[in-house]
Amino acid sequence: DQQVKQNSPSLSVQEGRISILNCDYTNSMFDYFLWYKKYPAEGPTFLISISSIKDKNEDGRFTVFLNKSAKHLSLHIVPSQPGDSAVYFCAASGRGGGSNYKLTFGKGTLLTVNP
Amino acid sequence: NAGVTQTPKFQVLKTGQSMTLQCAQDMNHEYMSWYRQDPGMGLRLIHYSVGAGITDQGEVPNGYNVSRSTTEDFPLRLLSAAPSQTSVYFCASSYRSNNSPLHFGNGTRLTVT
Repeated sequence: DQQVKQNSPSLSVQEGRISILNCDYTNSMFDYFLWYKKYPAEGPTFLISISSIKDKNEDGRFTVFLNKSAKHLSLHIVPSQPGDSAVYFCAASGRGGGSNYKLTFGKGTLLTVNP
Repeated sequence: NAGVTQTPKFQVLKTGQSMTLQCAQDMNHEYMSWYRQDPGMGLRLIHYSVGAGITDQGEVPNGYNVSRSTTEDFPLRLLSAAPSQTSVYFCASSYRSNNSPLHFGNGTRLTVT
């Protein structure tokens, strides 16, 4: 039973346009959500996070939106750049069951930004 | 800072062989974890540690052992490798404080034939 779902295996956008990556979760105990970016042959790197007490968090070109009632979050990248091409993982953790070291990951979305 | 260092980068084992995947971090992180990534799957937690001398099981612990004798090191042991353990293994660490993100190593690609 997948608790964190990324239903789009891949996404292709033009440079300069907006990239929107989506993530759904089923576990109501999740209250902290993160996005990681992964290049081939490297480990995932932390991108941005959001706590369940917020519905939006921004960091430069990256914004994460959280809709708790829909159990849905999204990552917006504006403007998209070719260097953003990577696999993006959505991850979640629940304070009741542990901390950020016990993450549940989605399967990832491969983003390709075309010049 | 080196961050999280994993060795080896690649390893091929025969079924039944044993080996240890090494992980070391130089950030004085209390928390350390091991994840595996399989094709078409997200990362799945194998074992984790909240401090030296303390370890616990994650989502997929069978076939793996861990120990945490120092803050810096968190080795993952395969006692009798099986083809189902063919995967990419990632070690990660973080501070104890809430909302401190995981820092990952670059992974060990293991093939069991």
